[in-house]
Amino acid sequence: DTEVTQTPKHLVMGMTNKKSLKCEQHMGHRAMYWYKQKAKKPPELMFVYSYEKLSINESVPSRFSPECPNSSLLNLHLHALQPEDSALYLCASSQDGTGGYVGNTIYFGEGSWLTVV
Amino acid sequence: GNSVTQMEGPVTLSEEAFLTINCTYTATGYPSLFWYVQYPGEGLQLLLKATKADDKGSNKGFEATYRKETTSFHLEKGSVQVSDSAVYFCALTILTGGGNKLTFGTGTQLKVEL
Repeated sequence: DTEVTQTPKHLVMGMTNKKSLKCEQHMGHRAMYWYKQKAKKPPELMFVYSYEKLSINESVPSRFSPECPNSSLLNLHLHALQPEDSALYLCASSQDGTGGYVGNTIYFGEGSWLTVV
Repeated sequence: GNSVTQMEGPVTLSEEAFLTINCTYTATGYPSLFWYVQYPGEGLQLLLKATKADDKGSNKGFEATYRKETTSFHLEKGSVQVSDSAVYFCALTILTGGGNKLTFGTGTQLKVEL
């Protein structure tokens, strides 16, 4: 079973709202990722968690705040977003993080479509 | 730096036609190579991968061979179907101090018509 589950599938939020995106995997993977994808573009890496610790932050604005409560869960907290943050947010996971195998597949969820109004 | 170059789309084919989507890469070190597919309104699915030179990845009739000498990983399928219409992303991973990092090409949209 190679499944990464994301909720909600669709989210509309105002620029003053606080909301969260959630991601769950039960594959025993130790690395989890957030990607952002704009229309007709490839996904862009935002954050990587390796063994529940933040290992990569690709200079993402602080209005995006990741959290990894345990090895199966990954959250992305959203606050004071801008309309240009509207995008598809993809969660992903892979077997190993730091020091792992470069050939490990990164598995993606279906994504959360975010619209900021 | 690391980069992936894919042929521009959209690519429009008739059903049962032969498909090639070109992909070349530049990487420091020894990357693994992937093809992902994204159907309309969905996330990315792994289509196939190869982790060392001369490896051939295959799945659902699609194939790609890791060519180190030409730094290429071209995607092929002998007979496409309407259901293959999607965006195809070539990608490589490198291992960094923080974990695996995927570098994607720009994506190639495939449209298959009856």
